[in-house]
Amino acid sequence: IAGITQAPTSQILAAGRRMTLRCTQDMRHNAMYWYRQDLGLGLRLIHYSNTAGTTGKGEVPDGYSVSRANTDDFPLTLASAVPSQTSVYFCASSDSIQGGVNVLTFGAGSRLTVL
Amino acid sequence: GQNIDQPTEMTATEGAIVQINCTYQTSGFNGLFWYQQHAGEAPTFLSYNVLDGLEEKGRFSSFLSRSKGYSYLLLKELQMKDSASYLCAVSNSNYQLIWGAGTKLIIKP
Repeated sequence: IAGITQAPTSQILAAGRRMTLRCTQDMRHNAMYWYRQDLGLGLRLIHYSNTAGTTGKGEVPDGYSVSRANTDDFPLTLASAVPSQTSVYFCASSDSIQGGVNVLTFGAGSRLTVL
Repeated sequence: GQNIDQPTEMTATEGAIVQINCTYQTSGFNGLFWYQQHAGEAPTFLSYNVLDGLEEKGRFSSFLSRSKGYSYLLLKELQMKDSASYLCAVSNSNYQLIWGAGTKLIIKP
């Protein structure tokens, strides 16, 4: 089934540890995104990528980094996790980032708890 | 600043009609989206409006008034499976999506 796969589904880690959330899509979409979703707040964009080899900062990029070595994969890394990064993280993709109807397809999410 | 406002929670009865409102203030406008998100799951696309008026898609309809910065999602013949959060999002002049916090819809038998 075409779509987006995220891993892990959930994770508890100690503050200060490094963590990488994985995201893979098989729809050959150009654009990919990482959002965090917190109770009472809208989805907030962390980083995005228009196409393989390029990345950009979203609304809340601090403490996170991404890479886009190929079309399919878009991992999100927390270099040194802090409790405020406890959240549900969604990876998403779309055909293009500008123009047309930019409909996002989301992964199932990764629930991260930082203690 | 840019913001999207929608009610936090609504309750409706199975078989009835419910209207979920969304007001927005953004830097530019390139369309408004509605997504459905069941608890613990990913958001899924419902509708897109870029011109004023009503877009109908089965039991769901979405309305847009650009001059008023206003949209609503209308759900008819409510079913228990419609219990979910409904997210309003606006694409601004940079095609950046600005998201509302979502409206949790509770359907009672």
